[in-house]
Amino acid sequence: GEDVEQSLFLSVREGDSSVINCTYTDSSSTYLYWYKQEPGAGLQLLTYIFSNMDMKQDQRLTVLLNKKDKHLSLRIADTQTGDSAIYFCAVGYSSASKIIFGSGTRLSIRP
Amino acid sequence: GAGVSQTPSNKVTEKGKYVELRCDPISGHTALYWYRQSLGQGPEFLIYFQGTGAADDSGLPNDRFFAVRPEGSVSTLKIQRTERGDSAVYLCASGAGDGELFFGEGSRLTVL
Repeated sequence: GEDVEQSLFLSVREGDSSVINCTYTDSSSTYLYWYKQEPGAGLQLLTYIFSNMDMKQDQRLTVLLNKKDKHLSLRIADTQTGDSAIYFCAVGYSSASKIIFGSGTRLSIRP
Repeated sequence: GAGVSQTPSNKVTEKGKYVELRCDPISGHTALYWYRQSLGQGPEFLIYFQGTGAADDSGLPNDRFFAVRPEGSVSTLKIQRTERGDSAVYLCASGAGDGELFFGEGSRLTVL
């Protein structure tokens, strides 16, 4: 079955860019998502990209997709303390299929 | 409603008891998903409904777990003979079939 891998931790200085990486195994994945989870809160959809796209930008967020390497990344520009959270990469086969999540990357911000 | 609503937000039960968890999806959303999230892990898929029918129940861990969505709106996840290993946050999500899933805040289940 599909496997989604992420590094567990990332620490960045406030104001720097954060880059969170994700790899997945199933090349037929069509929808690729980034979710954010703050402590004690639910999952918030940040952005998603279709597999026929290489890049998507939304304000401070940039998603890059390397379909050949099955690698997805999320870049957060000008990282702020409010960006501290766990970020989950997730993939789906269609608009209505199940979504498989990675284990999440905990982003911490240094002053 | 404005978002996905899950009740109860917290449930403490004893090993061997029966538990029901409820999900009210966003009005008009035809797709409904149940996930389970253990501490330090990502959400684990359980079951997905399209309308009233279970389109994919491949994530249900065993026959103690069952979910229904009789009228295509509210869904109930039912767990029989609960075990300590069932302790987790159970998440519900709904979608309009366009790929965007919206999650509720979850029901935290603790089995003593």
